[in-house]
Amino acid sequence: QLQLQESGPGLVKPSETLSLTCTVSGGSITTNSYYWGWIRQPPGKGLEWIGNVYYSGSTYYNPSLKSRITISVDTSKKQFSLKLSSVTAADTAMYYCGRHERAYDAFDMWGQGTMVTVSS
Amino acid sequence: EIVMTQSPATLSVSPGERATLSCRASQSVSSNLAWYQQKPGQAPRLLIYGASTRAPGIPARFSGSGSGTEFTLTISSLQSEDFAVYYCQHYNNWPPLYTFGQGTKLEIK
Repeated sequence: QLQLQESGPGLVKPSETLSLTCTVSGGSITTNSYYWGWIRQPPGKGLEWIGNVYYSGSTYYNPSLKSRITISVDTSKKQFSLKLSSVTAADTAMYYCGRHERAYDAFDMWGQGTMVTVSS
Repeated sequence: EIVMTQSPATLSVSPGERATLSCRASQSVSSNLAWYQQKPGQAPRLLIYGASTRAPGIPARFSGSGSGTEFTLTISSLQSEDFAVYYCQHYNNWPPLYTFGQGTKLEIK
């Protein structure tokens, strides 16, 4: 059974860079059937897609965040990572990693999420 | 940019009854529409993709319909575990962009 697990600091200072990693277990990250992505959810609010990465390293970003995002993949470790620079309080959210099934055009697997708070 | 609008914001339904949730797209998205369920403290779970196909393991009481700009998620005979927030989502293939609706909270009446 495939599982995704987010990891990273739960507290980030304003203007610094948020860094998170998603580890994939129980399945392959190097298949052409999937993209691997990040989605966030501010407290009490809805879902916002951040960006995706393909196992080849190709990336796709939300235009509203594109200038601050870097997503990368390390297939040897079965991990993909998110870096979000110049964070503000508005970036405080639950951050989920997920698997986009290309046949569904939807995220069919999700990590449990990790809460990141931006505060000094 | 396509905007997804869900209605109502909150829906109160009694267990055993039918719930009908709506999602409207600001322009046609064909059948490229997914539905998710999210319970408190949990990640979203994919229910429906392609507007009407249930994801693996999803009970038959969940059904999706619609195409173009108008979509519906129907839950027949609500169970206690169905009370949650539901989101619709459109995926634009190129350039890649996911657009979520703002959610409908399904609560016990």
